[in-house]
This record gives sequence, structure tokens and C-alpha cells, in this order.
Amino acid sequence: DAKTTQPNSMESNEEEPVHLPCNHSTISGTDYIHWYRQLPSQGPEYVIHGLTSNVNNRMASLAIAEDRKSSTLILHRATLRDAAVYYCILSTSGTYKYIFGTGTRLKVLA
Amino acid sequence: NAGVTQTPKFQVLKTGQSMTLQCAQDMNHNSMYWYRQDPGMGLRLIYYSASEGTTDKGEVPNGYNVSRLNKREFSLRLESAAPSQTSVYFCASSPGHSYEQYFGPGTRLTVT
Repeated sequence: DAKTTQPNSMESNEEEPVHLPCNHSTISGTDYIHWYRQLPSQGPEYVIHGLTSNVNNRMASLAIAEDRKSSTLILHRATLRDAAVYYCILSTSGTYKYIFGTGTRLKVLA
Repeated sequence: NAGVTQTPKFQVLKTGQSMTLQCAQDMNHNSMYWYRQDPGMGLRLIYYSASEGTTDKGEVPNGYNVSRLNKREFSLRLESAAPSQTSVYFCASSPGHSYEQYFGPGTRLTVT
């Protein structure tokens, strides 16, 4: 199973953009890139996912490198409610297995 | 529309006791999953059910059994609890593979 590497923690000021990086150098052509976040004492929550092209939704944007070996989750204006652990996950089409790493703990400063 | 519900929310067991964690979803999803999360760690997949009537092992299946009772319900059973099974257990569901997963609120289990 392809693995992902993320920084353990990041800080951001409120109202500023946040770029959360993820490396996945062993990604295969059929692997989707998913991002989830987990707020304290809650289950993970879907944020965004993509395959090759950049993706936008109401929560965030996902920028995928041309060689797909890395991706970046972009929160356009961080709020205090965005403080969470963010997980970058690969899933191979045709399988049901998410491999969660330890994620990036995002701290948002008021 | 409750989404994914789990019972109980908290449970304390003694070593060797058995129990079943219940999970139900009302989104008509085909796939359901059980994960565990140990302190400071990411989630690890225990078992999953791709569709009603099928179940498969995930990363850490030892010590657990599952039942996909119907399309809505997916239970996780600990036959003989061990302290190493102290964890938070999350159930999730999705329409199918490579779709987003919806997680329940978790069950915090302590085995003494």
C-alpha cells in the first residue's frame, strides 16, 4: 500500500491561508488522494479528494503536483474551528483500504 | 437523517470479557468499516464490508469478529477482551470504494 508523509504539526494565524503538504512518492496511477480532518473528540470528517486535477469545494482546495508525488491541501482563510488533525490518505481504486498516517496537527492562532 | 450511529459511547471491560459494538447507518450506503484509534495515532482498519453479505480483514483484524447484519448494520465483536484492545473504535460507511467515508462519533473502550 502506498504511504504518505506529512509534517507532524503546523501553525497558522486566523484569517490567513494555510497550505498543508503531503508527500506520496510511491503513488500509483489509480490511487486517489483523500484528505480528512479530525476535530478533537470526534470522528474524521471528509474534506476533499482528487485523482489528477486540482479540485475545489466549499471547504478547501486540493493542489496535486504534475507528477502526483505530492499534494497540498489549501484552506483559504483559517478559522479557529479549523484546528484539527489533517490526514492525507491514498486509496487504490478497487480496494476499500484507507491507510491513515499520524497526520498534521494544525493549530490556528487568534 | 442521523448518519452513522454507534453504541455504546463508552465501555469498560475486564480482561477476558466479551462485548459487541454496534454501528448503524441510514444513508443507504453499500460499504461499512471498523477502525480503531490508539492515543496519538491515526486510524487503523480492522474489518470492512464492501457490500451486504461480505466482510474482509483490514490491517489489524486479530481478536475481532464482525457481522454485516443487513445493509444498515455492521457490528464488531470482541470475544475475549485484552488490555491491548483499549482504544477508540470508529465505524464508517460509504456509497462504495473511492467515495468519501462518513464516520460515527466513536466508542471509547477501556479494558482493565
